[in-house]
Amino acid sequence: DTEVTQTPKHLVMGMTNKKSLKCEQHMGHRAMYWYKQKAKKPPELMFVYSYEKLSINESVPSRFSPECPNSSLLNLHLHALQPEDSALYLCASSQGEVLRIIDGYTFGSGTRLTVV
Amino acid sequence: SQELEQSPQSLIVQEGKNLTINCTSSKTLYGLYWYKQKYGEGLIFLMMLQKGGEEKSHEKITAKLDEKKQQSSLHITASQPSHAGIYLCGADFPNSGGSNYKLTFGKGTLLTVNP
Repeated sequence: DTEVTQTPKHLVMGMTNKKSLKCEQHMGHRAMYWYKQKAKKPPELMFVYSYEKLSINESVPSRFSPECPNSSLLNLHLHALQPEDSALYLCASSQGEVLRIIDGYTFGSGTRLTVV
Repeated sequence: SQELEQSPQSLIVQEGKNLTINCTSSKTLYGLYWYKQKYGEGLIFLMMLQKGGEEKSHEKITAKLDEKKQQSSLHITASQPSHAGIYLCGADFPNSGGSNYKLTFGKGTLLTVNP
């Protein structure tokens, strides 16, 4: 299995809703990432987990809450989002940590989130 | 300031033509990655370059990293409509706190290949 699987593919939520995005990989990668991508912009890093511990939080608002229950699973919990949070959310994983990346970062196909 | 500059921003070529996309940094690159993305979809990993002067090829796509490790180029030979998409270069740079490194992308190059 050489994939990063993200669910759901599409999500529409209201500003008072609570929802979660899920990311799963079975490649034995120990680093996992959440990226946010707005239309016609490159992906921007949100969070990095290394060995199931949060190692980078790029000053992301607390309405986004990441969780790494085990080495294969990464969640992003969403609460009280704003319409401007609508974007493509991408999950990635890597074997090895930064500057010691072995085979590049593997990205999932993303969750298209719309906040109404 | 943008740490990775990509050029051109967009490119339209006729099928069968060759093309080159460039990615430049003012800092030494520890790892340079090339990805392809269809609009609204995930990123497809193309190649990773780490050593100065390194060159890798996959099918009709060749990527090079210069000796100084500050510039990379992606070259497509005999382009096909299937090559169309957004090409992103990425590299590991220190994060805002300077305590760690993160994968940062250039703004991307939109490639259109006309049949």
